[in-house]
Amino acid sequence: EVQLVESGGGVVQPGGSLRLSCAASGFTFSSYWMHWVRQVPGRGLVWVSRSNTDGSGTSYADSVKGRFTASRDNAKNTLYLQMNSLRAEDTAVYYCAMGPSYQFDNWGQGTLVTVSS
Amino acid sequence: QSALTQPRSVSGSPGQSVTISCTGTSSDVGGYNYVSWYQQHPGKAPKLMIYDVSKRPSGVPDRFSGSKSGNTASLTISGLQAEDEADYYCCSYAGSYKVVFGGGTKLTVL
Repeated sequence: EVQLVESGGGVVQPGGSLRLSCAASGFTFSSYWMHWVRQVPGRGLVWVSRSNTDGSGTSYADSVKGRFTASRDNAKNTLYLQMNSLRAEDTAVYYCAMGPSYQFDNWGQGTLVTVSS
Repeated sequence: QSALTQPRSVSGSPGQSVTISCTGTSSDVGGYNYVSWYQQHPGKAPKLMIYDVSKRPSGVPDRFSGSKSGNTASLTISGLQAEDEADYYCCSYAGSYKVVFGGGTKLTVL
């Protein structure tokens, strides 16, 4: 059974940093693209970033480019999202999701990030 | 990256059919066959219902179907059931290794 478990969320001040993790199991992690998607509670889904199978290729939404960095450790079956220069508008539940390309076959349960002073 | 356009809400009675539209541009929906649809119940993670415009993952009932014409994709749910009440999101590849979601549609089963 595919499992994706996010962690690392919490409350951080504007301008601060946070690193999210997504522990994967139940599938061959190194064979799948991994994505981060966020959702402000009560609002819609917003794609954040993509990491290809070996992490050599990443892409980002314009709203986070230059501030967020996605990476992965295939030996640990773990995806990361380093978030710097956080803003109030980054407040959201962050999901990791896996898929063969531009679809998201499985999702984690999400971790809440709150940016507030 | 502008969000794809979906109706905010749709409704139908049990047994009826409903269709949710998803309008983009030639740079996303119209340019690629990478349209997917997700169902999200309150407090839960999204679930993949349709991928590559019209393909259903294993385990998704065949009451759910997808299609595309030009810059507009559609999700049709036939034989509506109470458990279909949820939020639905479309999603499309938008070029340059980027993805865009629709704003979401709340489906109410009357």
